[in-house]
Amino acid sequence: SYELTQPPSMSVSPGQTASITCSGDKLRDKYACWYQQKPGQSPVLVIYQDNQRPSGIPERFSGSNSGNTATLTISGTQAMDEADYYCQAWDISTGVFGGGTKLTVL
Amino acid sequence: EVQLVESGGGLVKPGGSLRLSCAASGFTFNSYTMNWVRQAPGKGLEWVSSISFSSTYIFYADSVRGRFTISRDNVKSALYLQMNSLRAEDTAVYYCVGRNPPADYWGQGSLVTVSS
Repeated sequence: SYELTQPPSMSVSPGQTASITCSGDKLRDKYACWYQQKPGQSPVLVIYQDNQRPSGIPERFSGSNSGNTATLTISGTQAMDEADYYCQAWDISTGVFGGGTKLTVL
Repeated sequence: EVQLVESGGGLVKPGGSLRLSCAASGFTFNSYTMNWVRQAPGKGLEWVSSISFSSTYIFYADSVRGRFTISRDNVKSALYLQMNSLRAEDTAVYYCVGRNPPADYWGQGSLVTVSS
């Protein structure tokens, strides 16, 4: 079965850039999306179709997908960005989530 | 205002059955692919099942295929998940998710606990 791999955790200082990776076999051939989930809340889509930002999502969120790795980049990270982040892609007819990355802003 | 409201969760014994419902409003339900995604306590997200807007295409995760059945009623703007032969590892919050990119709507989730 298809798998997506994310680092379990990472930390970033306020104002710096956070880059969260998501790796999967030939991921470049699939669309990747990214979700943000804060404690006790439902996930929120922050990037879809590799690099598209839904309305209402701040411009500091961006995405890319090349080779076997998709990347979510948060520029000028703010304290409010502290959350769990999940990548997702579709492998034929199966939806697959990465294991999630806990982003700490400190 | 978009709303997805799940119901039907609760405590069930291993081997038992449960039916989740999701009532949708505030968007054109019959234009959206609908999904169930679950999250075990303290764990990550797991995609469970999807159904296309006309119910033509239905897909399941390997972990639930043969035990769970997804369905929808476009007249009632409702999504369902019939869960049979439940196991302890099915314990999770089950989210109802509507997708029509870039639109992506999630409910608040319904907790299903499988325990004796």
